[in-house]
Amino acid sequence: QQPVQSPQAVILREGEDAVINCSSSKALYSVHWYRQKHGEAPVFLMILLKGGEQKGHEKISASFNEKKQQSSLYLTASQLSYSGTYFCGTRDRGSTLGRLYFGRGTQLTVWP
Amino acid sequence: NAGVTQTPKFQVLKTGQSMTLQCAQDMNHEYMSWYRQDPGMGLRLIHYSVGAGITDQGEVPNGYNVSRSTTEDFPLRLLSAAPSQTSVYFCASTLAGENEQFFGPGTRLTVL
Repeated sequence: QQPVQSPQAVILREGEDAVINCSSSKALYSVHWYRQKHGEAPVFLMILLKGGEQKGHEKISASFNEKKQQSSLYLTASQLSYSGTYFCGTRDRGSTLGRLYFGRGTQLTVWP
Repeated sequence: NAGVTQTPKFQVLKTGQSMTLQCAQDMNHEYMSWYRQDPGMGLRLIHYSVGAGITDQGEVPNGYNVSRSTTEDFPLRLLSAAPSQTSVYFCASTLAGENEQFFGPGTRLTVL
């Protein structure tokens, strides 16, 4: 079940903050976040696990509301390098490890 | 370490032709996956594998076959190419458990 991301696109000035949301209709075990620059492969940002454990970047924060099957990625004091498309990937409770469903992405553009 | 490698980088096929996209990783990862990426659709899982000899279908498996005879290699076969299979294909690998996925550089496939 593909998770839903919002917003579809965000335009920021350097130094501004952004929040990207990811929600699923299924009970989730984990949420993964990736960033993709144009013409490149997705790059891992972080994983949020059921129970509160996080793995990944220390400079990027995220939350995972297990009861609502929602996750949010917080980008504070944005830099030009933050530009790209952000994807969340979710693993449903009961589904096989390694089986991720990705959202359609949120395109973030940071202007100087 | 080379990480995840994919060949070829670009490929043009005619409708009805068959071909194999190659994927290899040198990190001794148990899990490997194939995704396709189309504009506005995010990453969609085609097939995945949790170890040598074990594969399973993802969201969009029709028209594709996989096998995994070794830990390192996970080729994707297009049996009879169709224009709807025009896409960018990414291979990814990860350690067993809930860990980050490492993506290959991608193969851009055009079917005429």
